[in-house]
Amino acid sequence: NAGVTQTPKFQVLKTGQSMTLQCAQDMNHNSMYWYRQDPGMGLRLIYYSASEGTTDKGEVPNGYNVSRLNKREFSLRLESAAPSQTSVYFCASSEWVLREETQYFGPGTRLLVL
Amino acid sequence: GNSVTQMEGPVTLSEEAFLTINCTYTATGYPSLFWYVQYPGEGLQLLLKATKADDKGSNKGFEATYRKETTSFHLEKGSVQVSDSAVYFCALHPADGNQFYFGTGTSLTVIP
Repeated sequence: NAGVTQTPKFQVLKTGQSMTLQCAQDMNHNSMYWYRQDPGMGLRLIYYSASEGTTDKGEVPNGYNVSRLNKREFSLRLESAAPSQTSVYFCASSEWVLREETQYFGPGTRLLVL
Repeated sequence: GNSVTQMEGPVTLSEEAFLTINCTYTATGYPSLFWYVQYPGEGLQLLLKATKADDKGSNKGFEATYRKETTSFHLEKGSVQVSDSAVYFCALHPADGNQFYFGTGTSLTVIP
């Protein structure tokens, strides 16, 4: 049981390049999330998917797109990377169990945009 | 709206000292409350949680009590160790929502 996995672990991009961050979970969770973490700002929600086939914007969606490929996978795409998107990106998943919901996180992707 | 406010760090303590990290929240209804811990270079891990008023979450010597009257969920540990050095995040999940709301994190360093 690997939990939540993310690829790649590290990435360096030039301004204007595109890339896709991959996330997969093997816990059969319905909900998945993408966050970015920046110094002094904690975690900010980019997009989330409450269930397969649905996606919704979070606090900071501009410059990103997402795809909920299936129940396991939720990818985040940067179409034209900007230095302001330099950050650590975390994927998470969650499931309602007995009226309780807990989030589980991946190890993160460290992105540097030059 | 929903929000979490936690004490700013960094916090530096000597080994075996008592730890308190304050967390207060704003939410409608009765949210679930969480503490997550992030060790250097890793993702967030669930430390403890509480789902209703007066519940106490506990794990690895850490405790936090859900106080509805003061809208607080302060994290405590009686005797910290060097291995507790990490960033701690308070979070809430509203009873009627899909999103989680996180505080900005408090960095803890424990020195021998």
